[in-house]
Amino acid sequence: AQSVAQPEDQVNVAEGNPLTVKCTYSVSGNPYLFWYVQYPNRGLQFLLKYITGDNLVKGSYGFEAEFNKSQTSFHLKKPSALVSDSALYFCAVRDPRENNDMRFGAGTRLTVKP
Amino acid sequence: DAGVIQSPRHEVTEMGQEVTLRCKPISGHDYLFWYRQTMMRGLELLIYFNNNVPIDDSGMPEDRFSAKMPNASFSTLKIQPSEPRDSAVYFCASSKRQARSYEQYFGPGTRLTVT
Repeated sequence: AQSVAQPEDQVNVAEGNPLTVKCTYSVSGNPYLFWYVQYPNRGLQFLLKYITGDNLVKGSYGFEAEFNKSQTSFHLKKPSALVSDSALYFCAVRDPRENNDMRFGAGTRLTVKP
Repeated sequence: DAGVIQSPRHEVTEMGQEVTLRCKPISGHDYLFWYRQTMMRGLELLIYFNNNVPIDDSGMPEDRFSAKMPNASFSTLKIQPSEPRDSAVYFCASSKRQARSYEQYFGPGTRLTVT
């Protein structure tokens, strides 16, 4: 069975500083990994995904994530945070060999302070 | 494309009433998902369809909940009778055929309040 964990409920960073939102996963095979962002009173919005290939994936709004198979992690990063990045971030995993759908993490609330 | 469309955006009802939430997926998408989001439980998958057929409804909390997809462009989630603990934001999402590597696209959600 597949699962995903986001170990931090909340991450606080200062504007202009780099940010990292952590995600670890558990899948028996090679995973498909996704990051979504949710702004207040909105649905989840796709940011980026890792399917295969380069371990560093670049996505929307300057975000990127690095797939690390040995550490079973897929941390979301951004070199310089903006106040407008403040939102709820979800990591999700799917096992391509399983006939079921993706599993979402509990979410991490990112707050960027001016 | 207009994206995933959900209606109503807000619903306030009294306990015991029937509630119907509606969703129009993105044209050409063959998978449709219903989620519920609460502070306590986070994001929960309730049910999903492939080509209008329910594939996994193990997340449906109880028999008061039912979902249908009569055609490729419309789905409903019904709660009858509703209870205060059903208060949540309900999201519909869709994705493409052979969707294993495809992301899901979410609607704006329906905020349900049961008093």
